[in-house]
Amino acid sequence: DSGVTQTPKHLITATGQRVTLRCSPRSGDLSVYWYQQSLDQGLQFLIQYYNGEERAKGNILERFSAQQFPDLHSELNLSSLELGDSALYFCASSDSENQPQHFGDGTRLSIL
Amino acid sequence: DQQVKQNSPSLSVQEGRISILNCDYTNSMFDYFLWYKKYPAEGPTFLISISSIKDKNEDGRFTVFLNKSAKHLSLHIVPSQPGDSAVYFCAASEYGDMRFGAGTRLTVKP
Repeated sequence: DSGVTQTPKHLITATGQRVTLRCSPRSGDLSVYWYQQSLDQGLQFLIQYYNGEERAKGNILERFSAQQFPDLHSELNLSSLELGDSALYFCASSDSENQPQHFGDGTRLSIL
Repeated sequence: DQQVKQNSPSLSVQEGRISILNCDYTNSMFDYFLWYKKYPAEGPTFLISISSIKDKNEDGRFTVFLNKSAKHLSLHIVPSQPGDSAVYFCAASEYGDMRFGAGTRLTVKP
């Protein structure tokens, strides 16, 4: 158990819809990271938050946004969903940069 | 933008032998390197790391080697066990901006 909790585990929705993925980091971790893993591909870094503030941005689409709340949990919002957004979305947390990140078990998003 | 590459999608090894997983990177600013293991239906699990000031780090059966001049990272597992069968991701970080390779599926045969 990594201590990182992601909900929901599975999400099925239709094109054009909007969804919110939730992540609770490990106790004490201030950094939260979001990754996307499409079929047979590696982990694509989307965005990082540190103590409520955006710290780094990767290959995140403009239709996607995220935030980290005062209690340090984070949400990833995906809007105007397209078939290609179907993927596993992982959240990870760490207590500081250049430390191992601890991953949740992911949310599997399926767009029909 | 593939700054971290794992050129072998799969590797099969006999139980008890050495498994060597390789990783190449292009960004010379990376200063922290990690290996993660991933089982199906689970998130990646941290295995071992190395900072750019070292060239070797060992933890039990796992050793990571870093060759900065060649921008090459490798993970050695000795001896390999069937429970090591998983997908292994290498990752490289520059101040927390972490990039992952596409993964190598290791199969250890009994």
